[in-house]
Amino acid sequence: DSGVTQTPKHLITATGQRVTLRCSPRSGDLSVYWYQQSLDQGLQFLIQYYNGEERAKGNILERFSAQQFPDLHSELNLSSLELGDSALYFCASSVGGLRNQPQHFGDGTRLSIL
Amino acid sequence: GESVGLHLPTLSVQEGDNSIINCAYSNSASDYFIWYKQESGKGPQFIIDIRSNMDKRQGQRVTVLLNKTVKHLSLQIAATQPGDSAVYFCAEFMNTGFQKLVFGTGTRLLVSP
Repeated sequence: DSGVTQTPKHLITATGQRVTLRCSPRSGDLSVYWYQQSLDQGLQFLIQYYNGEERAKGNILERFSAQQFPDLHSELNLSSLELGDSALYFCASSVGGLRNQPQHFGDGTRLSIL
Repeated sequence: GESVGLHLPTLSVQEGDNSIINCAYSNSASDYFIWYKQESGKGPQFIIDIRSNMDKRQGQRVTVLLNKTVKHLSLQIAATQPGDSAVYFCAEFMNTGFQKLVFGTGTRLLVSP
């Protein structure tokens, strides 16, 4: 158990809809990262938050947004969903603030767009 | 894991054998590397890491070797067990203005009893 909790485990929805994925980092970790894992793209970095503020952006679509709350949990919001958004979405956390720290992953949310 | 799936390189070994999984990384300026294990239905699990000022690091039954000259990482698993069956990813920290973790495509390890 990595200590990172993601909910829900599965989401099934339709094109055009909006969903929210939730992540609770390991106790004491200030940084939260979101990744997308699909069959043809592998694990792709989306966005990082550190202590409530956006720190870095990767290949995140404009239809996607995230935030980190004062209690350090994070939410990833996906809107105007398309079939191609079907994927596993992982959250990871690290202590943050320093270089070269391992990221620890949750077990992901599987999003299926019908 | 259910990552790259159909096109994933696969290493098949017998229980008790030693396994070696290789990875080529892309950026000569990367200075920190991690090996992750991903089992079906789970997230990537941290196995071992290594910094670029080292060329070898050992853990419990695992050893990571780093060859910066040819930008190559390997993960050695001693006395492989069926529970080691999973997809293994190497990841490098790229310094692109911020530190970005970039994953390799993964190798599927299949261990037969």
